[in-house]
This record gives sequence, structure tokens and C-alpha cells, in this order.
Amino acid sequence: DAGVIQSPRHEVTEMGQEVTLRCKPISGHNSLFWYRQTMMRGLELLIYFNNNVPIDDSGMPEDRFSAKMPNASFSTLKIQPSEPRDSAVYFCASSFSGRNTIYFGEGSWLTVV
Amino acid sequence: DQQVKQNSPSLSVQEGRISILNCDYTNSMFDYFLWYKKYPAEGPTFLISISSIKDKNEDGRFTVFLNKSAKHLSLHIVPSQPGDSAVYFCAAFLSGTYKYIFGTGTRLKVLA
Repeated sequence: DAGVIQSPRHEVTEMGQEVTLRCKPISGHNSLFWYRQTMMRGLELLIYFNNNVPIDDSGMPEDRFSAKMPNASFSTLKIQPSEPRDSAVYFCASSFSGRNTIYFGEGSWLTVV
Repeated sequence: DQQVKQNSPSLSVQEGRISILNCDYTNSMFDYFLWYKKYPAEGPTFLISISSIKDKNEDGRFTVFLNKSAKHLSLHIVPSQPGDSAVYFCAAFLSGTYKYIFGTGTRLKVLA
């Protein structure tokens, strides 16, 4: 029974480079979330998809961030160009609408130097 | 503007004693609350939840209490074990929406 799968687990990149994080939600789930964890703000919601459609991207920090969900089993979060302040752990999570528990992946640890 | 607050960033407890983690929220419309546990280098995992129609939910060593009038919930772990050492996040949810609002987390250390 596979959970939410994220890749890469760790990414170290230079400032200005493009970063793409990937997520495969749990099969059958129709809601997908991207969160960012920082010491100061805890778990911040970046964007939420329902049935592959972006519903709320108000948490996306700025235009350098973009997210897509081309189908029910895949989503990407892209940062272009990356900056050192983007260094954080990025979590993808999924749920089934109407159920009140969301399930997280193991996270992608991003370091921008 | 933090709608869900965990004011204690860390907590240390002796093994076998009770751990109490606290969480406050500002929006009285929240109707479902969850606690997640996170080990280093892993994603948060669901621990226990409570609906706003209840004031207590128990699952083994874990009990969550909800005080709606005070907009406060707490997680009790009895007895605490070293394996409970982790970061605990509380989250609030409004049914019919999608938003799970998380607190900043409390790092629990259970001392052997």
C-alpha cells in the first residue's frame, strides 16, 4: 500500500538554477497539497489541487514558484530561479475529499547555495 | 497571522510521565482538529483527531482534549516513552473546505 511518493529526497542546487520537485499522490485521492516547512512558520500551505485543478495558490511565495498537476497521479512544484531563502523541506500531501485526514510524503529537502 | 498556535517550541519529559502538548486556535468555525507526529527526515504522520462535537478522544496512550470555549486543544501522552520523541503538529480543519491550518510544532523529548 504505497503512500505519497516524493522525489528527489534531497536536492542541493546553486542560486539561479531551476528546481523541480515531484509528487505521486496516493491512488484514489483527489486532493493534493504542497506544503513548505520552515522553523519560523512551521507547515505552510503553498497550493492545493482538487481533481487536478489548482484551487488555491495564494500561499505560493512569488512568481518564481509554479505548480502543475497534469493528471491524477502526478504533480510538480517548480522554482525558477531558485534563491537561498527557498531552502526548506517541501512536503506533498494527499487526501480524499470529504475525509478529514491528509497523508504526507517524506519530503524533499532543498538547499540552495 | 497564525490561526493555529503552538506556543511551546519544545518540551522535555521524563520517561513514564505524562506529556501535555498544547494548541490554540482563533477561528471558532474550525470543526475538526488533528495531531500529527514527525520524526526527523520523515513526513508528518497522522496520530489522532477530534471533531468539534466531542471534547475528548482517546487512542491508547494518546488522548486529545478540546475546549471550544477557550479555543484550546491539548494532546496527552501517558505514559511517555523515548520513542515518542518527535515534533508534534496540531492542525485545524473546516469541513467543506480544503484548508488544513497547521501550527508551528512542538518538539517533544522524552528522557530515558
